[in-house]
Amino acid sequence: EAQVTQNPRYLITVTGKKLTVTCSQNMNHEYMSWYRQDPGLGLRQIYYSMNVEVTDKGDVPEGYKVSRKEKRNFPLILESPSPNQTSLYFCASSLVDGEKLFFGSGTQLSVL
Amino acid sequence: DQQVKQNSPSLSVQEGRISILNCDYTNSMFDYFLWYKKYPAEGPTFLISISSIKDKNEDGRFTVFLNKSAKHLSLHIVPSQPGDSAVYFCAGSGGSNYKLTFGKGTLLTVNP
Repeated sequence: EAQVTQNPRYLITVTGKKLTVTCSQNMNHEYMSWYRQDPGLGLRQIYYSMNVEVTDKGDVPEGYKVSRKEKRNFPLILESPSPNQTSLYFCASSLVDGEKLFFGSGTQLSVL
Repeated sequence: DQQVKQNSPSLSVQEGRISILNCDYTNSMFDYFLWYKKYPAEGPTFLISISSIKDKNEDGRFTVFLNKSAKHLSLHIVPSQPGDSAVYFCAGSGGSNYKLTFGKGTLLTVNP
């Protein structure tokens, strides 16, 4: 089944404790992206990647890192999480940028 | 600068009636538009799209209309069903900004 898989679904952590949210897609998509969803703000792009080893900042990249060492994986790294990063995170992929995105099920992150 | 605007945070309709969700955009280079539907605790899923060479696209109960001169698109759901209750996101892409830019979403509630 074609899908975007992100883990974990739920994560509670404390300020400053490094964490990684994994994302993997099995559709051989070139383009991958991370979004956060916050009440009243909709979906905001954090980082995106147009291909392996090619990543770029989205609209709200502060406090996040990403890497794209393999085509299928695009982990989101929070080196020192802060409470304002408490949010619902979605990974997404598409064949090329600007086309239909396929989303993962989301990761609800709480930073205490 | 909010390039895609969904000015109605919520909409409530009766089962069987028409639901009309609206979206305005400011970037005149956008040439591809999509609607996504999102249930709680799930990732957004693609619903329907339209290219700027068309002014209407239909898929079953869902029709998207595009008015390029007004930079406006709308999603019509006829007839509305309780299972359509979800948050609907409008998105656009095109020009130098190939990435999808999302609106803030509209919560549709269809009452039985």
